[in-house]
Order: sequence, then C-alpha cells, then structure tokens
Amino acid sequence: DIQMTQSPSSLSASVGDRVTITCRASQGIRNDLGWYQQKPGKAPKRLIYAASSLQSGVPSRFSGSGSGTEFTLTISSLQPEDFATYYCLQHNSYPPWTFGQGTKVEIK
Amino acid sequence: EVQLVESGGGLVQPGGSLRLSCSASGFTFSSYAMHWVRQAPGKGLEYVSAISSNGGSTYYADSVKGRFTISRDNSKNTLYLQMSSLRAEDTAVYYCVAVLLGDWGQGTLVTVSS
Repeated sequence: DIQMTQSPSSLSASVGDRVTITCRASQGIRNDLGWYQQKPGKAPKRLIYAASSLQSGVPSRFSGSGSGTEFTLTISSLQPEDFATYYCLQHNSYPPWTFGQGTKVEIK
Repeated sequence: EVQLVESGGGLVQPGGSLRLSCSASGFTFSSYAMHWVRQAPGKGLEYVSAISSNGGSTYYADSVKGRFTISRDNSKNTLYLQMSSLRAEDTAVYYCVAVLLGDWGQGTLVTVSS
C-alpha cells in the first residue's frame, strides 16, 4: 500500500502569513493527489485536484504543486476562514487510496 | 449539482449490525467508483471501502474486512455499506465520497456502545 506522510501535523500562523504543507508518497503516484480542507463538524472540501488544479470556486490564494512523490499545498496569504485541518489524498492505481495524517492550521 | 446524502447511522450495541445508504444525484452515478471514508471523534480520515462503477470490484480496509460489505444499486443511484459485528472502534462519522469528482456527503454518525 502507498503511504502518505504529511507534515507538519500542526502549525500556528497569523493572518496574512504564507503557509506551506507537504505530503510525501512512499512511491510515485504521478499527479493523482488532492488536497482537502475540513472545518469542525463539516465534511472535507476539495481545494486542489490532480496535484495542482484549483477546484472551481476555491480562492486563488490556494495552490498545489508537485508530482511523483513530493507534493505541496500553499496558502499565499492566510485568511481567518482558512483556519482548519488540511488533508492530502492519493488515488493512484487500485485502492487503498490513502490520506495524509492531517495538518491543523491554528491562529497564532 | 452533485448531492450525496447518507442515512442509516445511529446507536448500536457491540456485535450489532447497521446498514448505511448514500443517495446520489447530479451526476452519472453508474460511471463512477464510490467510496466510504470514516472519521472517529477527534481523529483523522480513514479510507474504509470502495466499489467500482459496475460493482464488480470491491476493496476493504483491513480494519473492516470480513465485517463490512459495500454494494451499489445503479438503478437507484444508491450506495450501501452493510456493517456487522460492530465494535466500539467503529464509532465514527461515515462519509460517502465520489473521490474523482471531489464530492462528499454530509456524513452519518455511527455510535457503537452498550
């Protein structure tokens, strides 16, 4: 099974900061990766698909990059509504498709 | 607009059974593999089960293998998860997910407790 290692597990940041979250795959997954945002009590919401494509309706301050084994989600200027937990999900080849452990973004 | 609506969650005793349903609309249900993902209280997301678009292939996480059965009825645009021999550690919100579309249901809470 492909393992996804997500880092950091949590971070504290201020409004306006640039934030970067990383997911590393245990083997190459091409660009078969999405990034999700989850707020308390809500279902996850996809922000990025195919590693770098912005989901319709998602603010342009969110961006994704990477291919193969190393992937990054960047929030260029953190906004109050961005405080949440973020997950990556790889969907390469047959299941299991695996999530990263999550990154909780908190207010500094 | 894609809609995924789960139902069937609730409180069940250890060893009991429950069947979750997910009613889908807004897309061609029969063209997409479907998935169940769960989230225990205060924990991360766990990939539980998957079924191919025609129902011919299924996958189960080791934690539920032999106890859960995923199925679908493409004529009814509905996904199911039959859960048996439930354990306390199965307590979670269960989400129905169309991964390749990026769409999730609102989730249904399953609580296993005596």
